[in-house]
Amino acid sequence: DVKVTQSSRYLVKRTGEKVFLECVQDMDHENMFWYRQDPGLGLRLIYFSYDVKMKEKGDIPEGYSVSREKKERFSLILESASTNQTSMYLCASSSGTGNQPQHFGDGTRLSIL
Amino acid sequence: AQSVTQLDSQVPVFEEAPVELRCNYSSSVSVYLFWYVQYPNQGLQLLLKYLSGSTLVKGINGFEAEFNKSQTSFHLRKPSVHISDTAEYFCAVSELGGSYIPTFGRGTSLIVHP
Repeated sequence: DVKVTQSSRYLVKRTGEKVFLECVQDMDHENMFWYRQDPGLGLRLIYFSYDVKMKEKGDIPEGYSVSREKKERFSLILESASTNQTSMYLCASSSGTGNQPQHFGDGTRLSIL
Repeated sequence: AQSVTQLDSQVPVFEEAPVELRCNYSSSVSVYLFWYVQYPNQGLQLLLKYLSGSTLVKGINGFEAEFNKSQTSFHLRKPSVHISDTAEYFCAVSELGGSYIPTFGRGTSLIVHP
C-alpha cells in the first residue's frame, strides 16, 4: 500500500513565523500535491510538482512556497504565517496519468495564533 | 476545463436505510471519475473509480456508483448504511488525455443516525 506521511498531525505557530510542513511518500510517485481544506470550501490546490525540483502554482498559491529536492519529499512553506492560514493541510501523491487516483496523508491541522 | 458539483452539502440518514450521494460533472471530453471518503481527522481514501467499461462500479465498504454519460452524473449509493459510514465524501473528475490533476467537488457530509 502507498504510504503518504505528513510530519505533524497538529501544529500551533505564531503570526509572522516561517512554517514548514513536510510530506514523504514511499511509492516512487512522480506527482505530489498540497491542498488546504476549509469547511464548506472543499479541497483547494496550493501547489503541485510533477518531478524533482519542478513546481507549479495551484489555485491559491499566495503566501506559500514549496520545495521538492528529492522525489519522495514535498515541503510546503509558509513564509510569514498569518491567521488566515489556519487550516487543515493535506498532502497527496499520484503516479503519472489522470486515470490514477491520488493517495493522501492524514493531514496537518495548523493553527496560527 | 472540468467542474464537479455535489448537490448536497449534508445528507442525514438513519442506520440501515439506503443512501444516494449525488455528483454531476461538466467536461467537453471523456473523463475519469472517483469517489473518496474522509473519516474524521484523517486524509481522503479512494472508495471507487470509473475509468472505462461497465458503468456500474463497485467499491469498498459496500458502496457502488453508476456512471451516466447522458446525464453527466456519477452518483454514489449504498443499500444499507452503518454508523461507521459517517464521513465526508468527495467526488472528483479528471479528463482523458488531459491534466493529471483532478477537480474535486466540495464534499457531502453523510451523517448516519442510530
